[in-house]
Amino acid sequence: KQEVTQIPAALSVPEGENLVLNCSFTDSAIYNLQWFRQDPGKGLTSLLLIQSSQREQTSGRLNASLDKSSGRSTLYIAASQPGDSATYLCAVKGSGTYKYIFGTGTRLKVLA
Amino acid sequence: SAVISQKPSRDICQRGTSLTIQCQVDSQVTMMFWYRQQPGQSLTLIATANQGSEATYESGFVIDKFPISRPNLTFSTLTVSNMSPEDSSIYLCSGSTGASNEKLFFGSGTQLSVL
Repeated sequence: KQEVTQIPAALSVPEGENLVLNCSFTDSAIYNLQWFRQDPGKGLTSLLLIQSSQREQTSGRLNASLDKSSGRSTLYIAASQPGDSATYLCAVKGSGTYKYIFGTGTRLKVLA
Repeated sequence: SAVISQKPSRDICQRGTSLTIQCQVDSQVTMMFWYRQQPGQSLTLIATANQGSEATYESGFVIDKFPISRPNLTFSTLTVSNMSPEDSSIYLCSGSTGASNEKLFFGSGTQLSVL
C-alpha cells in the first residue's frame, strides 16, 4: 500500500530565503507525482506535475525534482515571499491506477 | 485546465440532517473524485464518481452514508447523510481527463460544520 510522507510538517522562514520541501513515497511504481498548494479553507491548486520518466519540472520560482528509485521528490522555492505562505501537498499516482495518494502536507509561513 | 464550481462553500448543519454538495465542471472530464479533509489532516479519497453508474467507494466509505450521483460528464453531487459532528470536514471534488500529462484540478471546497 502506497504511503506518502512530507517533511517538515511545518516551516517558518524569513522572506527571501530559498527553501526545500520534501516528499517521500513507499512504492516506486508511480505514474506521476504532483505538487499542490492549498490556502486555508480552500481547494487545491496544482503547481507542478512530474511524469515518472522525468527528473524535474520548473515553473517560475518553483522547481520540483523526482528520484523515483529512492522514492523521493523535492519542491524548491526560490526567493520566498509572504504570498507563498500556504500548505504544500504532494500526491502520487500509481502505475495502473487512476487514484492519487496525498501526502501529509507542509505548512509554510514566510515572514515579511 | 478545466474549472470546477463547487457549492455550497460552507455550511453549518444540525446533527441527523443531510447536505448535498454540487460540482459543475466547465468542460467534459473523464474522471471525477470526492475527497474528505478532516481538520489538520491530508486528503482522503471517498469515492470515484462514475458517469451513468454507481460510484466506486474506498475502504471505510459506504453508499448509504455518502451517496454520489454523476448524471453526465460535467456534473456530480455528494450527499453527506445523517450527519454527526464527526462529519465536520472540508469536502472537495476534483476532476481529470485522464491524459498522462493532465493535472488533477479541484473545486474550491465545502467547509462543513455539524453541531
